[in-house]
Amino acid sequence: DAGITQSPRHKVTETGTPVTLRCHQTENHRYMYWYRQDPGHGLRLIHYSYGVKDTDKGEVSDGYSVSRSKTEDFLLTLESATSSQTSVYFCAISETSTRDSQETQYFGPGTRLLVL
Amino acid sequence: AQSVAQPEDQVNVAEGNPLTVKCTYSVSGNPYLFWYVQYPNRGLQFLLKYITGDNLVKGSYGFEAEFNKSQTSFHLKKPSALVSDSALYFCAVRGPNRDDKIIFGKGTRLHILP
Repeated sequence: DAGITQSPRHKVTETGTPVTLRCHQTENHRYMYWYRQDPGHGLRLIHYSYGVKDTDKGEVSDGYSVSRSKTEDFLLTLESATSSQTSVYFCAISETSTRDSQETQYFGPGTRLLVL
Repeated sequence: AQSVAQPEDQVNVAEGNPLTVKCTYSVSGNPYLFWYVQYPNRGLQFLLKYITGDNLVKGSYGFEAEFNKSQTSFHLKKPSALVSDSALYFCAVRGPNRDDKIIFGKGTRLHILP
């Protein structure tokens, strides 16, 4: 999985609690992304980062925040988890050497989150 | 607005037969097109992409895809299917503008029957 790890891999939590998911890369890629995967929806972009402390919202950012204090780490926080946030969360990274190479994303193994 | 559609939720193909997984897109301008594959309990893996140039793109594991601008399609193909090709396949598209983001289709589950 291209030098990308996600932790935890599985988590069960209760409604209303904060949850933080971690994505760690060893590729020194500039761009990092958080997606959620749900049946019938494919992958939807939550937030992305184009550098340390540089982040922006994706398609489904409500209820989520992110932080990137180091190139290698991108954290996704569910501020107050809801049952609708039960999903599989994927982190992805992409290169920056050329605009074309930037486009290919490499994905982590995913985190399966269940909010009760 | 850009969009991508995978019209088939599931495709069944006998082992050894050719396979096609369909994808159509809508973007303003020249598209960037991608195929990814997902095996059970794994992240997505990049298969191939079209940026510019030859309309027939060759990728990993013997897969190829044909860019058809007039039909706005980017179908994934393989001449002879293997049981190990059974997986979930995602098409993705990105527009040419700097602010455009990659949009993924909903996925097509490919079953290769022994």
